Amino acid sequence: SYVLTQPPSVSVAPGTTARITCGGSKIGSKNVHWYQQKPGQAPVLVISYDADRSSGIPERISGSNSGITATLTISRVEAGDEADYYCQVWDSNSDHVVFGGGTKLTVL
Amino acid sequence: QVQLVHSGAEVKKPGASVEVSCRASGYTFTDYFIHWVRQARGQGLEWIGWINPDTGDSECAQNFQARVTMRRDTSTSTVYMQLARLTSDDTAVYYCARPSYCSTASCPIAYWGQGSLVTVSS
Repeated sequence: SYVLTQPPSVSVAPGTTARITCGGSKIGSKNVHWYQQKPGQAPVLVISYDADRSSGIPERISGSNSGITATLTISRVEAGDEADYYCQVWDSNSDHVVFGGGTKLTVL
Repeated sequence: QVQLVHSGAEVKKPGASVEVSCRASGYTFTDYFIHWVRQARGQGLEWIGWINPDTGDSECAQNFQARVTMRRDTSTSTVYMQLARLTSDDTAVYYCARPSYCSTASCPIAYWGQGSLVTVSS
């Protein structure tokens, strides 16, 4: 089955840039979606199809995908960005949804 | 607006089964797949499976294939997920969720229910 690998945690200072990676075999050939989840809340779709921001998501949140790594980039990080972030793809070989293990973003 | 409303919390003993329901509103129920996703406390998202409310077809992750049954009731716009032979490892919040604007299971998931907490304890 297809596996997505994320770093468990990323820590950055406010105002700097956070990059959260999602690794998978030939992930560049797949559509990657990103979810933000804050404590006690359901996940929220922030980026779909590698780089499309959902409505209401600020432009400082962006996505890219190439080769074996997809990346969620958050520029000018704010305290409110502190959350867990999950990448997700569709595995067309199995018709299954696959989530990465999640990355906890800490704003120092 | 799209709403997915879950059934309430459940407490079950090991070995029992649980059925969680999710009632959809605000759209045509049979037009969009529904996913089931769970999350144990402090852990990540784990995909369980999807159901096509139009046909009743479903597909589960390998980890759940022997224990999960998904069904739907089109008269009440409700989907159900039953998990059998529960263990303490099944203690989690169970979410139903709907893809965004496209009508296949492969689309990004834009709408989530509030979740149902299932606790398995002797």
